Amino acid sequence: DTGVSQNPRHKITKRGQNVTFRCDPISEHNRLYWYRQTLGQGPEFLTYFQNEAQLEKSRLLSDRFSAERPKGSFSTLEIQRTEQGDSAMYLCASIGSGANVLTFGAGSRLTVL
Amino acid sequence: GESVGLHLPTLSVQEGDNSIINCAYSNSASDYFIWYKQESGKGPQFIIDIRSNMDKRQGQRVTVLLNKTVKHLSLQIAATQPGDSAVYFCAERPFRYSTLTFGKGTMLLVSP
Repeated sequence: DTGVSQNPRHKITKRGQNVTFRCDPISEHNRLYWYRQTLGQGPEFLTYFQNEAQLEKSRLLSDRFSAERPKGSFSTLEIQRTEQGDSAMYLCASIGSGANVLTFGAGSRLTVL
Repeated sequence: GESVGLHLPTLSVQEGDNSIINCAYSNSASDYFIWYKQESGKGPQFIIDIRSNMDKRQGQRVTVLLNKTVKHLSLQIAATQPGDSAVYFCAERPFRYSTLTFGKGTMLLVSP
């Protein structure tokens, strides 16, 4: 068990470009969460999956954001037409059935120039 | 002492002191609370949790206290070490299977 893995760790892009982040959760965890964290703030919920089903999306998740978990294992978060306000740390977390504690990955930091 | 910085409240202590980090939560119906520690450049790391039917829970060097009357949560760290320096977040869960809602966080600085 290598924990929750996120790639890339850091992405620098120009405004208007698309970016995609990948999350590999702990293998036996059926629920996967995406959070966004800006400097000095706590993580803010974006969306979560139970297996391959996306069960909840935050109002923070604009139309430019899309997340998938096609086979109920890894997940991707894509941001289209990035804006400077999208600059943040994108955190992935996973949790097993019946458990309470979310295990977070190290995050993917996005910088939009 | 405790102060409010530009971004985060900060608690500065000396190595060996006991630290107390406070958190006010918002939802009186929340059934579960958790503390995370986040070091620079890393994701949040679980410290300790507590259910709403308890008012105190102890771990190794850490204790969480829950006061539902005033919607207050605190994290006590005994014999604070330089390795405890990090940002600490409390989070609440409004109901089972709902998502965690995080507070703003407190930066703990431990001087040798």
